[in-house]
Amino acid sequence: DQQVKQNSPSLSVQEGRISILNCDYTNSMFDYFLWYKKYPAEGPTFLISISSIKDKNEDGRFTVFLNKSAKHLSLHIVPSQPGDSAVYFCAASGLAGSARQLTFGSGTQLTVLP
Amino acid sequence: EAGVTQFPSHSVIEKGQTVTLRCDPISGHDNLYWYRRVMGKEIKFLLHFVKESKQDESGMPNNRFLAERTGGTYSTLKVQPAELEDSGVYFCASSLLTGAITDTQYFGPGTRLTVL
Repeated sequence: DQQVKQNSPSLSVQEGRISILNCDYTNSMFDYFLWYKKYPAEGPTFLISISSIKDKNEDGRFTVFLNKSAKHLSLHIVPSQPGDSAVYFCAASGLAGSARQLTFGSGTQLTVLP
Repeated sequence: EAGVTQFPSHSVIEKGQTVTLRCDPISGHDNLYWYRRVMGKEIKFLLHFVKESKQDESGMPNNRFLAERTGGTYSTLKVQPAELEDSGVYFCASSLLTGAITDTQYFGPGTRLTVL
C-alpha cells in the first residue's frame, strides 16, 4: 500500500509556462516533505523541501505548497525551462526511532517543450 | 567535494549467481541508506546505517540480501543467490548525522542490476 502517491505519471508543459506537480500522502506521521529531481542514468537530486509546520516554501523558480488537512502537496515551477525536463519524485519522512527513511512516490515525468 | 559514488554502474548476472554492490558515501556522512527502484515504480527504502551499525533494515526483502558497513565508511550490499525479481536500480544515499529534520540525503547514481 503506497503511502505517497503521484497520480500523474507524466506532464507536458510549454516553456515559460507554469508546471504543477502533485503528490498525496496517507501517513499522518510524516512531518517533512521533499521533492527530488532525477535525470536519466543519474541519482535523485534534492530540489526543495517543506516542514509540516509550514504551508509554503519558495526557492527561486520552485515553490512547494503543503495542505496538511488534505494530505496534499504540490510543486510549482515558474517559469518552466527545457532543462527542467526530468522525473520528479515526491518524498516524505517521519521520525521512526532514530531513522529518517524517505518514502517516495512513483514519480512524474515532466517534459518542458521549447 | 566528491558526491556519493556507487560501483558498478551496471551489472548483468544470471539467476542464482551472487552480486556485490558498493557505495562510498560523502566523506563525513555517518548516515548511509540503501534504496531500490524496481520496474520504474517508486523508490523503496531498504536499510539505514549509522556509522557501522544497522539502525533499520525493515525494508530488506529477504535474507538473500546482506548489507555491511565495516569501519563506518563504505558499504556493500550483497545479493546471494540473485532472483529475477531482484532486478532494478539500487541507490545509495548519505547524510550528516546532526539529528536535524533537514539533514538532506544525497543520492548516488545507482547500480542497475539485471538478473537473467
